[in-house]
Amino acid sequence: NAGVTQTPKFRVLKTGQSMTLLCAQDMNHEYMYWYRQDPGMGLRLIHYSVGEGTTAKGEVPDGYNVSRLKKQNFLLGLESAAPSQTSVYFCASSYRQGRVVSTGELFFGEGSRLTVL
Amino acid sequence: KNQVEQSPQSLIILEGKNCTLQCNYTVSPFSNLRWYKQDTGRGPVSLTIMTFSENTKSNGRYTATLDADTKQSSLHITASQLSDSASYICVVSGTAAGNKLTFGGGTRVLVKP
Repeated sequence: NAGVTQTPKFRVLKTGQSMTLLCAQDMNHEYMYWYRQDPGMGLRLIHYSVGEGTTAKGEVPDGYNVSRLKKQNFLLGLESAAPSQTSVYFCASSYRQGRVVSTGELFFGEGSRLTVL
Repeated sequence: KNQVEQSPQSLIILEGKNCTLQCNYTVSPFSNLRWYKQDTGRGPVSLTIMTFSENTKSNGRYTATLDADTKQSSLHITASQLSDSASYICVVSGTAAGNKLTFGGGTRVLVKP
């Protein structure tokens, strides 16, 4: 099993350009998340989804949009990139909270490094 | 506001030595606490989970402790190896609606030969 796969791994954008990060998981997880990781700030939640067709805002949602049309995929979009969005983006997935077999362990992708000039 | 504070921010140790990382939290009500290891350029991977009733748990050379009364956890690395060089992230889960996760800023460990 591949686990959680993110594409692309690296991307350079100019201010104002748009792009989409793709996350795919093959573990049949209900929950999926997008985080950003910046030096000295730890991981911050951007958006998350508790199931196919549902999304919710996290801690830092401004400037991002998401979609979960299929259970295994979670897309993160930047409509008009800004230099402040330069970061490493991590997708994660987990079983639905409260299931006996899981206590909320997150399974992370390898990260996508985005630079906005 | 739920917070997770980790210390130190970074440390350097010699191969074969032991070290201890600290995690203090204010998340309430508490559900569980996980320690993740993040190698450079990789995503975090869970090392261990501590629930309210557990005081200590080991995973190989990693031993985590939890004091739910003082809201403190520690991660002890025994006989460090070069492969232990990584960031270690403490993540606390609460039982409030949505069971949101609160992340610590991490401790960066560098093991030198």
